[in-house]
Amino acid sequence: AQSVSQHNHHVILSEAASLELGCNYSYGGTVNLFWYVQYPGQHLQLLLKYFSGDPLVKGIKGFEAEFIKSKFSFNLRKPSVQWSDTAEYFCAVATHNAGNMLTFGGGTRLMVKP
Amino acid sequence: DAGVIQSPRHEVTEMGQEVTLRCKPISGHNSLFWYRQTMMRGLELLIYFNNNVPIDDSGMPEDRFSAKMPNASFSTLKIQPSEPRDSAVYFCASSLRPPDTQYFGPGTRLTVL
Repeated sequence: AQSVSQHNHHVILSEAASLELGCNYSYGGTVNLFWYVQYPGQHLQLLLKYFSGDPLVKGIKGFEAEFIKSKFSFNLRKPSVQWSDTAEYFCAVATHNAGNMLTFGGGTRLMVKP
Repeated sequence: DAGVIQSPRHEVTEMGQEVTLRCKPISGHNSLFWYRQTMMRGLELLIYFNNNVPIDDSGMPEDRFSAKMPNASFSTLKIQPSEPRDSAVYFCASSLRPPDTQYFGPGTRLTVL
């Protein structure tokens, strides 16, 4: 079965610091990749997704992610975080062998200090 | 579009009671998903419907949980009888079809005393 790993469970940054959240998955075939964000007390919202094409994907609010097939990774980045980016971030993978359903990582809680 | 609608937003009940959570997906979406989110286990897929038909219910924890989708615009998740360990936030999500983007509802925060 496929799995998704987010190695950083908690990240604390100061405003203007750069952010990189790791995401690795275990599946050798074609994948569709997603990053979702959950602000405190709110539901999950899509940040960005990769289906095919340019492996560097731009999302909302200045986020981007790079798909590196050889490393089975889809890391999320933002060059300069803001206090309002405080949230939990979830990486998710959909693969054909799982009926294209999403498998979510465990999430990374990001706290940005003002 | 109103997005995915869930009700109630909060539910507090006593152990042994029946709980029914409701979801209205985005109009035109063919797939509907029920998730459970807890601190210990994170986000878990409970069941997935496509065109109102349950496709995969392998995530349903036990027979106390059941889900239905009588039509394209309504789904329920029922817990009978409820137990304290069922306390969690339950999210409903819909999409045009997998693996398209899933749009999540606001969730129902369930507390079983």
